[in-house]
Amino acid sequence: DAGITQSPRHKVTETGTPVTLRCHQTENHRYMYWYRQDPGHGLRLIHYSYGVKDTDKGEVSDGYSVSRSKTEDFLLTLESATSSQTSVYFCAISVLSSGGEVKAGGLADTQYFGPGTRLTVL
Amino acid sequence: GQNIDQPTEMTATEGAIVQINCTYQTSGFNGLFWYQQHAGEAPTFLSYNVLDGLEEKGRFSSFLSRSKGYSYLLLKELQMKDSASYLCAVQAGTALIFGKGTTLSVSS
Repeated sequence: DAGITQSPRHKVTETGTPVTLRCHQTENHRYMYWYRQDPGHGLRLIHYSYGVKDTDKGEVSDGYSVSRSKTEDFLLTLESATSSQTSVYFCAISVLSSGGEVKAGGLADTQYFGPGTRLTVL
Repeated sequence: GQNIDQPTEMTATEGAIVQINCTYQTSGFNGLFWYQQHAGEAPTFLSYNVLDGLEEKGRFSSFLSRSKGYSYLLLKELQMKDSASYLCAVQAGTALIFGKGTTLSVSS
């Protein structure tokens, strides 16, 4: 358990309304991510953060913005929701694998996921 | 471009062994990950490979060949609870690039 919570867990909204999803972590991880998961597409990265106020775009960032004003919270905002943004949204954090153990050949950074938010835009 | 391929669906019977293949073409490579995802739940981490070879973790093993852009996840002594989607993901830079997942159905 990586101590990640997401809120809300379910939301139904109407086209054109703003929506903010929250990801909260309790273990001071530096990196946080937002993904969306859709049938036939798998998980796709929207935005990620590598520290307070430090964020960058992922593969499908259009229509989304993020903010990270403190280490524990990473917010995803849909400024004007559209039906194409109906999806399941997962937040993730990354830690060094094996609790920090260095594996021969280098480090791989394992990501752990929150429980998800199911968003429906009507 | 970035491309990760894995079969869409597989079926197997309880107690059997199943191998889920994953091939990848990515612009970078820092490691290959396997996740399990039960319907309606979040992905959970199963294993990762950085170097070529086999990593064993109980009933689950994962293999990597970087020169061939190929990995597989081996599940032994299948149980009904292993019915789930299995996601292959490559870390290229900071991002994880996911395949579309393989849905495994285990029957008795």
